[in-house]
Amino acid sequence: RKEVEQDPGPFNVPEGATVAFNCTYSNSASQSFFWYRQDCRKEPKLLMSVYSSGNEDGRFTAQLNRASQYISLLIRDSKLSDSATYLCVVPSGYSTLTFGKGTMLLVSP
Amino acid sequence: EPEVTQTPSHQVTQMGQEVILRCVPISNHLYFYWYRQILGQKVEFLVSFYNNEISEKSEIFDDQFSVERPDGSNFTLKIRSTKLEDSAMYFCASSEARVAEETQYFGPGTRLLVL
Repeated sequence: RKEVEQDPGPFNVPEGATVAFNCTYSNSASQSFFWYRQDCRKEPKLLMSVYSSGNEDGRFTAQLNRASQYISLLIRDSKLSDSATYLCVVPSGYSTLTFGKGTMLLVSP
Repeated sequence: EPEVTQTPSHQVTQMGQEVILRCVPISNHLYFYWYRQILGQKVEFLVSFYNNEISEKSEIFDDQFSVERPDGSNFTLKIRSTKLEDSAMYFCASSEARVAEETQYFGPGTRLLVL
């Protein structure tokens, strides 16, 4: 069974903090990985794609360790608007995405 | 920016009734998907669709479910005889190509409540 496991959370951090989320996956054949964010009762929205060892986009950095089957997401200088659930997503078939349960982040003033 | 749209946003139905959830994928996308998310749980894959046929389906997608592309723009999910446990948010998604290489873009969802 192809699973994606994430830190259960929630993570409560003050504005400006740096926070990291972890994700492990079981499908060793996966070549690409995604972090989506999901606001309460809304659709998942793509945050970052990870195809090689990592990816950086502004305050967000994703790192991939294929040997350990581990992906992380680092958020620097947290903003109130970063409060959301962060979903680790791994392709698990020709056209199938497997989602983790998500890690909730709450950024407080 | 092009986006996936879904109708209705909310649907309430009686157990045993048929429901049809509608989606308009992004216009140049070729792959279409349905996912569901039961309240408080993770997003789960239901089915993928390409070239007017199902590419893959999960164990959840049993004989009560069907998908169709009735015209050039709409993509529908039909649940023939709804059960209480079908209550969930249903998301449609689309992508330009196969998921391993292309991002899937999600619609805002239809919240289905079966009474």
